[in-house]
Amino acid sequence: GAVVSQHPSWVICKSGTSVKIECRSLDFQATTMFWYRQFPKQSLMLMATSNEGSKATYEQGVEKDKFLINHASLTLSTLTVTSAHPEDSSFYICSARDRHQIYEQYFGPGTRLTVT
Amino acid sequence: AQKVTQAQTEISVVEKEDVTLDCVYETRDTTYYLFWYKQPPSGELVFLIRRNSFDEQNEISGRYSWNFQKSTSSFNFTITASQVVDSAVYFCALSEETNAGKSTFGDGTTLTVKP
Repeated sequence: GAVVSQHPSWVICKSGTSVKIECRSLDFQATTMFWYRQFPKQSLMLMATSNEGSKATYEQGVEKDKFLINHASLTLSTLTVTSAHPEDSSFYICSARDRHQIYEQYFGPGTRLTVT
Repeated sequence: AQKVTQAQTEISVVEKEDVTLDCVYETRDTTYYLFWYKQPPSGELVFLIRRNSFDEQNEISGRYSWNFQKSTSSFNFTITASQVVDSAVYFCALSEETNAGKSTFGDGTTLTVKP
């Protein structure tokens, strides 16, 4: 089956620093990747959609200058949380789909970010 | 706009009981997909089922079964003879054709199965 990995699985950083999270599709070409954020005991909220080779589309209320998304290849998308603050502490999950399966998303295992 | 409602925030049952998790959705599209995911304490989402809007046939997979009723916009999930390992958060999600396949998740139902 399709596998999506995320790295790191967890990260602790100091307030004001930037953190990069990678999302990779291991056995298929992901033309589209989605980034979600999940706060404790809450649902997944879509942050942005990235299509390979083009700029990401951000959901309303998500700061694009704070959450930088790059989808430079068909197997890799990165999310960089810039100048992280404690309120950015959350569980970040990516998902990926290929060009032929518009409704099929494969989820990564998630990255737990803690900002101290 | 698409919307998914999981009215049950938490459910607690004793092992071997049957339990049904409710999911009600809203959409104006005629083409859409519904999903159920399981999220154990580890956090990784586990895909359980996908159903498209043109297929109302109920599905059974082992102890799991799903009842899709377009007339009531519901896609309910039943676990038969629940086990402790079924304890998790369960999410229902909806993807619409006109929304480029983006998924909207319900708030989730936390299921606790006690021994």
